[in-house]
Amino acid sequence: GNSVTQMEGPVTLSEEAFLTINCTYTATGYPSLFWYVQYPGEGLQLLLKATKADDKGSNKGFEATYRKETTSFHLEKGSVQVSDSAVYFCALSVYQGAQKLVFGQGTRLTINP
Amino acid sequence: NAGVTQTPKFRVLKTGQSMTLLCAQDMNHEYMYWYRQDPGMGLRLIHYSVGEGTTAKGEVPDGYNVSRLKKQNFLLGLESAAPSQTSVYFCASSYRDRYYGYTFGSGTRLTVV
Repeated sequence: GNSVTQMEGPVTLSEEAFLTINCTYTATGYPSLFWYVQYPGEGLQLLLKATKADDKGSNKGFEATYRKETTSFHLEKGSVQVSDSAVYFCALSVYQGAQKLVFGQGTRLTINP
Repeated sequence: NAGVTQTPKFRVLKTGQSMTLLCAQDMNHEYMYWYRQDPGMGLRLIHYSVGEGTTAKGEVPDGYNVSRLKKQNFLLGLESAAPSQTSVYFCASSYRDRYYGYTFGSGTRLTVV
C-alpha cells in the first residue's frame, strides 16, 4: 500500500537554528512528493514539491530532495524564524482511479525567539 | 481571489441533526475531495469526485454523503450527526495530473454535542 511516515513532534527550536523534519514513504508505482504547511486556524498550503528522483523542491528557504534509493523526502531549512511555526505535512501523490494525496500525520514545529 | 471556498467556517450541531457543508472552487479543477482532520491522525479522506456527477468513497465514508451536481461545487452532508463527527473538515481540489498537488480550503470546524 501507500503510506507516509514523518518524524514525531512536537519539534521546538530556537530562532536561526537548522531544521530537519524526516519523511519516508512507501508507494506502489512512482509517486510525486509534497510538503504542505498549515498555519494556525488555516488550511493546508503547498510548500514545495518534487516529481521525480533526485529532484529538489524549494520555497521560502525550505528544501527537500526526492531520494528514491532511501524512499525519503526530508524537509530542511538552514535558519528558521518564528514565523515558520506551523504544522508540516509530508504527502505523496499516486493515481488510483483519481489523483490521491496520502498524508503523513504532521509535525508541529514551534520556533522560540 | 481564485481558490477553494468553504462554508460555513464554524458550526455547532446537536446529536441527530443534519447539515450540509459547501465547497466551491473557481480553478476549473476536475477533482474534488473532502477530508477530516483530527488530532494525531493527520488528514483522512472521506469522499472524492473525479468529475461532475461522480462521487467515490474514501478512507472514512461512513455517516457522510456527497454530491457534485456542478463541476465547481462539492457538497458534504451529515444526515444524523454524531459526536464522533466532531472534527475540522477540509475541502480540496486538483487537476487530474498528479504533479500539481491539491488546493485546500480554509476548513470548517464542526462540533457535535
